[in-house]
Amino acid sequence: QVQLVQSGAEVKKPGASVKVSCKASGYTFTSYGISWVRQAPGQGLEWMGWISAYNGNTNYAQKLQGRVTMTTDTSTSTAYMELRSLRSDDTAVYYCARDMRGAATPDYWGQGTLVTVSS
Amino acid sequence: EIVMTQSPATLSVSPGERATLSCRASQSVSSNLAWYQQKPGQAPRLLIYGASTRATGIPARFSGSGSGTEFTLTISSLQSEDFAVYYCQQYNNWRRTFGQGTKVEIK
Repeated sequence: QVQLVQSGAEVKKPGASVKVSCKASGYTFTSYGISWVRQAPGQGLEWMGWISAYNGNTNYAQKLQGRVTMTTDTSTSTAYMELRSLRSDDTAVYYCARDMRGAATPDYWGQGTLVTVSS
Repeated sequence: EIVMTQSPATLSVSPGERATLSCRASQSVSSNLAWYQQKPGQAPRLLIYGASTRATGIPARFSGSGSGTEFTLTISSLQSEDFAVYYCQQYNNWRRTFGQGTKVEIK
């Protein structure tokens, strides 16, 4: 069965960086893209970007361009999302999700990783 | 950026009744529209993609319609497990965007 298992909760100070991992299993990792979506406390879903696990191509949300980097390690079927220059409004649950074949929208989701930015 | 606007923000419905949720795009997204359900403390769950195709395992009481800029999610007879927040998402543009969500609560 398809599973996406994310790394644990993080607490960071403003200005620091965080790197969240997402280990995939149950499918051919390089055949699907991975999206990253975040959700601030009590707020809606925000699409952050996408990476092709096949060739590493990326698309990022305009508001995060320059602060976010998405990568994959095909040897371990793991995707990573790094966010730099953290601010308090980056406090959120961060989700990775596998995109569907034939429809660029996620079908399987990780459990989420809470990132708290606080001084 | 394509802006997705959902209405209403909150929908109060009695169990067994029909619920109709709307999603409007600021420009055409063709049929590249998905609906997600999210319950507290859980990851979103894909319900509908391609505007009207149910995802695997989704009950037939969930249906989606629309194309272009106007979309609807209908839950034909609300069950207790359907009370949740629902989001639409467009994926016509490579910079995907979500609506702000509709909370379906018990009346």
